[in-house]
Amino acid sequence: EPEVTQTPSHQVTQMGQEVILRCVPISNHLYFYWYRQILGQKVEFLVSFYNNEISEKSEIFDDQFSVERPDGSNFTLKIRSTKLEDSAMYFCASSETALFSGNTIYFGEGSWLTVV
Amino acid sequence: SQQGEEDPQALSIQEGENATMNCSYKTSINNLQWYRQNSGRGLVHLILIRSNEREKHSGRLRVTLDTSKKSSSLLITASRAADTASYFCATPTYYQLTFGKGTKLSVIP
Repeated sequence: EPEVTQTPSHQVTQMGQEVILRCVPISNHLYFYWYRQILGQKVEFLVSFYNNEISEKSEIFDDQFSVERPDGSNFTLKIRSTKLEDSAMYFCASSETALFSGNTIYFGEGSWLTVV
Repeated sequence: SQQGEEDPQALSIQEGENATMNCSYKTSINNLQWYRQNSGRGLVHLILIRSNEREKHSGRLRVTLDTSKKSSSLLITASRAADTASYFCATPTYYQLTFGKGTKLSVIP
C-alpha cells in the first residue's frame, strides 16, 4: 500500500540552528500538509500546499517556517532558527484531492524534533 | 474555526467490552473523520461519515453523526488490547483537517 515517508525519524538540534524535515508524499497525491504535535497535546495544522504554493497556513506557521517541493517527489519543511518550543513530532501528510470533498489525509510516521 | 472536541479524555476498559468516544464540533461540516494514533506513531484514518449520513459501520467500528447536535460518536465493539491508542475526530475545511484533543483508550487484557 502506498505510504507517506518521512526523514529523519528523530533529530536533535541546538537552539538557533536550521532544520529541514523531509517527506515523500504518495505519488499521485496533489495536496500536501505539515502538522505538528507537541508531546501529549493535540495535532495542530501548520500548512497546506497545492500547485507549488501555500494554500493555507496557521498562525503557528510564522516567518521562521517555510515549505518547498524541490522536485517531483519531495516535500520539505524548514525551520530557520529553532526554538525550544519547536520540540515536537512533525507529521507530513498528503491527499489526492481537496479535503472538503470527502477525501482523507494519509500521514507519515512523523519526525521527532528535539531542540536543546 | 471548526474544531472537534472528544470526550472522555481517557477511557480504560477490559478486553471484550465496548468503548464509546464522543466528539463535538462547532460549525457546519461536509464530513467528519475519525483517526487513530498509536503511541509515538502517525495517524491512521479509520472512517469518514458524510453530513447526510447518520450511521456508518466498518468492521468493529460504528460511527454516528448528529448534525443537529453537532456531535459524533465512535463505538468500538468487542475491544482488544491492540485497540489501545488515542482516537481523534477531525473536521475538514477545504485545505485542512482540524483535530480534537483526542480520547486515550486503554484496553486491559
